[in-house]
Amino acid sequence: EPEVTQTPSHQVTQMGQEVILRCVPISNHLYFYWYRQILGQKVEFLVSFYNNEISEKSEIFDDQFSVERPDGSNFTLKIRSTKLEDSAMYFCASSRTSGGVFNEQFFGPGTRLTVL
Amino acid sequence: DAKTTQPPSMDCAEGRAANLPCNHSTISGNEYVYWYRQIHSQGPQYIIHGLKNNETNEMASLIITEDRKSSTLILPHATLRDTAVYYCIVRVGGGGADGLTFGKGTHLIIQP
Repeated sequence: EPEVTQTPSHQVTQMGQEVILRCVPISNHLYFYWYRQILGQKVEFLVSFYNNEISEKSEIFDDQFSVERPDGSNFTLKIRSTKLEDSAMYFCASSRTSGGVFNEQFFGPGTRLTVL
Repeated sequence: DAKTTQPPSMDCAEGRAANLPCNHSTISGNEYVYWYRQIHSQGPQYIIHGLKNNETNEMASLIITEDRKSSTLILPHATLRDTAVYYCIVRVGGGGADGLTFGKGTHLIIQP
């Protein structure tokens, strides 16, 4: 069964450093998402991406964040200058199409980001 | 903010049916009810969705009241692997690129 994959599973970085989190969505999916979950808190939507541009973003997704689909398979989230409060689990998700009524999102296993 | 209200936690005995309630009294006519679950810090997993009719799939059943202000997710024969946080989400059908808004969910604990 196809699945969303994410690398690395755990990333440790120093405050102020740039990090890139990588995701490989399911191959025939067209919509891509990033979410984060701070330890013990809710899953929070960050951004959605379709047709090579951002479709929707939350208040969390400020200028420190960017997303990119550099090739036909990868989807990346970059944090330019990490802060302690960026420590969280980051989930990538993808969905197939907007056609029809339903658009199930498939989530990856997550990358745990620890900012020291 | 999430438009749903769920109990923070529930217990259920293994092998019994787990019934998870959700209130969504402000749901709009074009909004569907979706259920996802998250097993111990893994990525959320889709379970089922519905508009107004009851729905069943291989994982669960969804019962939506006639006024659509509440719903119940039923896991017919709960196993230990069903221990997870269950999220009830309302959103417009299809949704395209819309992000999901997760609340705190219900932490379901299946007891052996």
